[in-house]
Amino acid sequence: DAGVIQSPRHEVTEMGQEVTLRCKPISGHDYLFWYRQTMMRGLELLIYFNNNVPIDDSGMPEDRFSAKMPNASFSTLKIQPSEPRDSAVYFCASSFDPRGGRYGYTFGSGTRLTVV
Amino acid sequence: GDSVTQMEGPVTLSEEAFLTINCTYTATGYPSLFWYVQYPGEGLQLLLKATKADDKGSNKGFEATYRKETTSFHLEKGSVQVSDSAVYFCALSDKAGGSEKLVFGKGTKLTVNP
Repeated sequence: DAGVIQSPRHEVTEMGQEVTLRCKPISGHDYLFWYRQTMMRGLELLIYFNNNVPIDDSGMPEDRFSAKMPNASFSTLKIQPSEPRDSAVYFCASSFDPRGGRYGYTFGSGTRLTVV
Repeated sequence: GDSVTQMEGPVTLSEEAFLTINCTYTATGYPSLFWYVQYPGEGLQLLLKATKADDKGSNKGFEATYRKETTSFHLEKGSVQVSDSAVYFCALSDKAGGSEKLVFGKGTKLTVNP
């Protein structure tokens, strides 16, 4: 398996534009997580899915953020409109077990978002 | 709620030095404990884990022992290398705590100089 695949790796956009981040989890993993990482706040869980259904979105900062998982092999995180404070590295992770289990979470390489 | 506290970084060491990164936790139940590592420009990777008291997780020369009496899971390595430079995250999962997911600490950045 190629691991968790995220695209794009880097995204630079202007304030007010819509941004869509994409993630392909490992085949067979039932859980998918979206995280945001910044120097100030560290690693924050935004939302996670089980079998394509959102389970906990309490970490989504505000209504400008939305996430979908239309099928088991694809998820998106959308920010509309984007703001400079959204600049961060966004990670997607997937797992068989939300508690980590034997193999833990598998993280993608992240998308570095810069909003200017 | 459940939480993980790691020592403040950054930590800077010379090659072959001994490493300790402290991690303590608060949990309702009897958690499983993890260390993850994030190399520059990459996502987090599972480094090691322990699921019950006195268990020792080990991988790539790193070790951590689950100490229930001190609620700790300190990461150690006897001789660090430049290639160990990374950010290290302690994490827990606690079914009794009602949280289905991993709880991560803030991370500790390690820099190893040649």
